[in-house]
Amino acid sequence: ILNVEQSPQSLHVQEGDSTNFTCSFPSSNFYALHWYRWETAKSPEALFVMTLNGDEKKKGRISATLNTKEGYSYLYIKGSQPEDSATYLCASRRRGTYKYIFGTGTRLKVLA
Amino acid sequence: EPEVTQTPSHQVTQMGQEVILRCVPISNHLYFYWYRQILGQKVEFLVSFYNNEISEKSEIFDDQFSVERPDGSNFTLKIRSTKLEDSAMYFCASRQEGPWETQYFGPGTRLLVL
Repeated sequence: ILNVEQSPQSLHVQEGDSTNFTCSFPSSNFYALHWYRWETAKSPEALFVMTLNGDEKKKGRISATLNTKEGYSYLYIKGSQPEDSATYLCASRRRGTYKYIFGTGTRLKVLA
Repeated sequence: EPEVTQTPSHQVTQMGQEVILRCVPISNHLYFYWYRQILGQKVEFLVSFYNNEISEKSEIFDDQFSVERPDGSNFTLKIRSTKLEDSAMYFCASRQEGPWETQYFGPGTRLLVL
C-alpha cells in the first residue's frame, strides 16, 4: 500500500472496555511512525514515535506495537475512560523524505 | 511546557486576497512544518522547512504558497491569491532533529475563503 489507512473509522465502547485500532502504512523504506491523540478544538498531541520493527511503547493505559515488515501498527487502550474519547491519528514517514503521511484517524467515543 | 502557537485562530478572507498565517515554533526546534486539513478529509502535508530553506513540499504547495522564517522565531505561511478550495484548518508543527523526535503541533488557524 502507498497510503496510510486506519481502521475502524469510528467506534463506541463502554467505560472499562479495552479496545484497539489499526494503522497500515507503506512497509518499503520505512523510517518512522507517529501516533497522535486529537481532541476537538485542541492540537494533535503526540503519543508515540516508533522507529524499529517490533517496537512496543506504553504510556499509562495506552500502548502501541509496530511491525515494519508487514506495515502495520496497533494502538491499544486498556480499561477505556470517557477522557480517552478523541480521534487517534497515525502518520508514517519514509526514508529519504521529510513528509509525514497521515491516516484518516479513528474516532473513539467512550460511554460512561 | 513549551508549545507551538499560531495566529490568528480564525481568518475569513475574500477569494483572491493574500493571507499570512503565523506560527511560533518551540524555540530549540530545527524542523518546521505546515499541514492543512480540509473539513472531513485527512491531515495533508504542505511543506517542511529546515536550515532556512524548504526541505520538501507537496504537490499542493504550488506557486501561490510560500513560507518564511523572517526573524528566527516566527514561521509564516503566505497564500498569495486565495481560492475557495484553500478553506481549511492550517496547522504548524515543529520538532528537533532525529527520526525518534516528536512533532509538536500548534492549535491551528481556521481559514475561510469566501
